[in-house]
Amino acid sequence: GENVEQHPSTLSVQEGDSAVIKCTYSDSASNYFPWYKQELGKRPQLIIDIRSNVGEKKDQRIAVTLNKTAKHFSLHITETQPEDSAVYFCAASPYNYGQNFVFGPGTRLSVLP
Amino acid sequence: NAGVTQTPKFRVLKTGQSMTLLCAQDMNHEYMYWYRQDPGMGLRLIHYSVGEGTTAKGEVPDGYNVSRLKKQNFLLGLESAAPSQTSVYFCASTGPRSSYNSPLHFGNGTRLTVT
Repeated sequence: GENVEQHPSTLSVQEGDSAVIKCTYSDSASNYFPWYKQELGKRPQLIIDIRSNVGEKKDQRIAVTLNKTAKHFSLHITETQPEDSAVYFCAASPYNYGQNFVFGPGTRLSVLP
Repeated sequence: NAGVTQTPKFRVLKTGQSMTLLCAQDMNHEYMYWYRQDPGMGLRLIHYSVGEGTTAKGEVPDGYNVSRLKKQNFLLGLESAAPSQTSVYFCASTGPRSSYNSPLHFGNGTRLTVT
């Protein structure tokens, strides 16, 4: 089955700097890669996603890149702000009957003022 | 449009007691899932359903049962609770089946403590 690794587990950056979180997956059948942000005590919420037919996607300060050959994808946050502090999860999913999602263990991002 | 609604929000059980967590979605989604979230371990899939009347095991199904008698509801049961089942439980849904990949929508979670 699919296995998703995520690094780093914790990340501290100064406000205004960039943050990068990397994930690797094992199943070449995975073709959909969402990223979720979870604030303390709240539910995970989708912030950006990418499909395997696209190499990069950007939404304002957030971007995701995908390297299918190497089986890794990354989340990039530019001009970080204190409200970006949260736990970020990556996930991988194949398009098949069931559409299961396998999540990485999460990265706790702290943006220091 | 409430999205995904979970009840209850909090629950404390004694070892050996049973309970049912209810998940309801009003988005006409085909797929529904139950995850548990433990510190440092991300979200692990317990059971899932690809449609009304169907269920399947996920990564950590032992000690749990599920039912999906109606498309909008997905129930998670603990027959005999154990301290190892202390966790935060999230229900999620996505669909429709004809769409090419769609994201998960999560409920607000149920915090369960088993003493």
